[in-house]
Amino acid sequence: EVQLLESGGGLVQRGGSLRLSCAASGFIFNNYAMSWVRQAPGKGLEWVSSIGGSGGNTYYADSVKGRFTISRDISKNTLDLLMNSLRAEDTAVYYCAKDSSTSPGYYNDYWGQGTLVTVSS
Amino acid sequence: DIQMTQSPSTLSASVGDRVTITCRASQSISRWLAWYQQKPGKAPKLLIYKASNLESGVPSRFSGSGSGTEFTLTISSLQPDDFATYSCQQYDSSPLTFGGGTKVEIK
Repeated sequence: EVQLLESGGGLVQRGGSLRLSCAASGFIFNNYAMSWVRQAPGKGLEWVSSIGGSGGNTYYADSVKGRFTISRDISKNTLDLLMNSLRAEDTAVYYCAKDSSTSPGYYNDYWGQGTLVTVSS
Repeated sequence: DIQMTQSPSTLSASVGDRVTITCRASQSISRWLAWYQQKPGKAPKLLIYKASNLESGVPSRFSGSGSGTEFTLTISSLQPDDFATYSCQQYDSSPLTFGGGTKVEIK
């Protein structure tokens, strides 16, 4: 059974940093790309970032490029998102999601329960 | 970026009703479209991929159709467990984008 468990969310001041983590199990981790998708309160889903199965290729939404860094540790089956220079508009539930392919850019077939990030001004 | 527009934004229906949700893309995405179901406080769940392919384990009352710029998700006979928000996602090109969601409410 595929399981994705996010951690690391919380309350942070504007301009601060936070690292989200996602522990993955139930599938061959390095065979699949992984993504972070967020959902602001009362809003729709927004893709944030993706990383290829091998970890070599990373992709970012324009809204977070230069501030967020995605990474994965194949030895630990974990996915991370380092978020710097946080803004009020980054406030959202952040979901870790498994891609359906080794390469990013496909639909997400499994999602974690999400972790809430609140940026205070 | 490709814009995804869903309609309606809210839909009131009764158990047993046939429900149709529409998703329109701002440019052609061939059949690179997925549908997700989300309940309050829960993670999205994949229902349909490549416009009409039913994900394993999803009830057959769900179906998807369309290509190019217009797509539909149909629930043939609405069940109590189906009251939720449904979102479409295009994965034709980066950045991947989602529709704003359609909330299916109890009438």
